[in-house]
Amino acid sequence: KAGVTQTPRYLIKTRGQQVTLSCSPISGHRSVSWYQQTPGQGLQFLFEYFSETQRNKGNFPGRFSGRQFSNSRSEMNVSTLELGDSALYLCASSVEGSTDTQYFGPGTRLTVL
Amino acid sequence: SQKIEQNSEALNIQEGKTATLTCNYTNYSPAYLQWYRQDPGRGPVFLLLIRENEKEKRKERLKVTFDTTLKQSLFHITASQPADSATYLCALPLSGGYNKLIFGAGTRLAVHP
Repeated sequence: KAGVTQTPRYLIKTRGQQVTLSCSPISGHRSVSWYQQTPGQGLQFLFEYFSETQRNKGNFPGRFSGRQFSNSRSEMNVSTLELGDSALYLCASSVEGSTDTQYFGPGTRLTVL
Repeated sequence: SQKIEQNSEALNIQEGKTATLTCNYTNYSPAYLQWYRQDPGRGPVFLLLIRENEKEKRKERLKVTFDTTLKQSLFHITASQPADSATYLCALPLSGGYNKLIFGAGTRLAVHP
């Protein structure tokens, strides 16, 4: 069974631009969660989608948004990028939610210049 | 507010010894707790989930305890090997959001031959 895949793996953007990151969960998994990881703040929850609906949202500004498609693939979008958005963005999939085993992807390393 | 604390200092131990990592939390009573392993440049890998009504859980050389009175979980690796060197993260669900996970900052474990 293929693992969680994330594209692109690396991305360099400049301040003010927007970016879209993609996550393909493991086949059969309906829950996709997104996290931001930085050296200073660690892993922080962004949002979770289940069956195309956002079930939970973390404490991030509205510039961070996401969606989930009918095939469970998910995208997250960050608009008006700031230097502080430089981070490793991780997605995790599971069958039903966080009480299940969470399978993380390799992450997308975003650098904002 | 809810907080998770893990030893920020790296833990250095000799091969063959038991490594013990600590996860303390405050201001809430989670229904479960998870432990993950993360290697540099990779997404976290799920290791174990323990529920509030379970005192202890084992998986091969791993053992997790969950003391809801002390608000603490201990993670043990017995007969440690250099390959166990990694950062270990604990995670709990945020109250009010069953599928929102909050992660500790992680403890870096180094096992020396």
